Amino acid sequence: DAGVIQSPRHEVTEMGQEVTLRCKPISGHDYLFWYRQTMMRGLELLIYFNNNVPIDDSGMPEDRFSAKMPNASFSTLKIQPSEPRDSAVYFCASSFRKNEQFFGPGTRLTVL
Amino acid sequence: QKEVEQDPGPLSVPEGAIVSLNCTYSNSAFQYFMWYRQYSRKGPELLMYTYSSGNKEDGRFTAQVDKSSKYISLFIRDSQPSDSATYLCAMSAYGGSQGNLIFGKGTKLSVKP
Repeated sequence: DAGVIQSPRHEVTEMGQEVTLRCKPISGHDYLFWYRQTMMRGLELLIYFNNNVPIDDSGMPEDRFSAKMPNASFSTLKIQPSEPRDSAVYFCASSFRKNEQFFGPGTRLTVL
Repeated sequence: QKEVEQDPGPLSVPEGAIVSLNCTYSNSAFQYFMWYRQYSRKGPELLMYTYSSGNKEDGRFTAQVDKSSKYISLFIRDSQPSDSATYLCAMSAYGGSQGNLIFGKGTKLSVKP
């Protein structure tokens, strides 16, 4: 199994630009999670899906952030417009029913 | 007060030492406790998983939960340079993936040869 796949691995963009992060969960997993990790705040849950349906988006910081899961094998996290304070490592994780979440390698986002 | 507190370190120990990593929490509803290991520039990976109070051992690793004190620990025996990583505690009030995991900020561990 290839594990959770995220793309791109690194993204550098300028303030105001739209950023789209992508995630392919492990086949057969029914939960998908988006996290953000910074030195100051640690690892924070942004949103999670169950069977492609958003369950809890209370961690999404602002309306500039949106996430979709059009099918069981693909999800996107979009930031529009991006700001320097959005610079962080964004992780996608997936799981099958239980708490063991498998994390992807992350996307390191830098907003200049 | 944050829900989960974890000393960020860094913690540096010689090879072969016993390492103790700890987290405290404030939410008495937490029942599921996990330790994740995160190598530099990688995603976290689950190391240990325990339910409620008690101990769990897996090789050189032992996880302890004291719900009365709202305190969890991870012990690493005979530490190795390959154990050098950031260790994050995580907790949930729910079984299964219905609940959110709340993470500590992580403790960075360095094991020197």
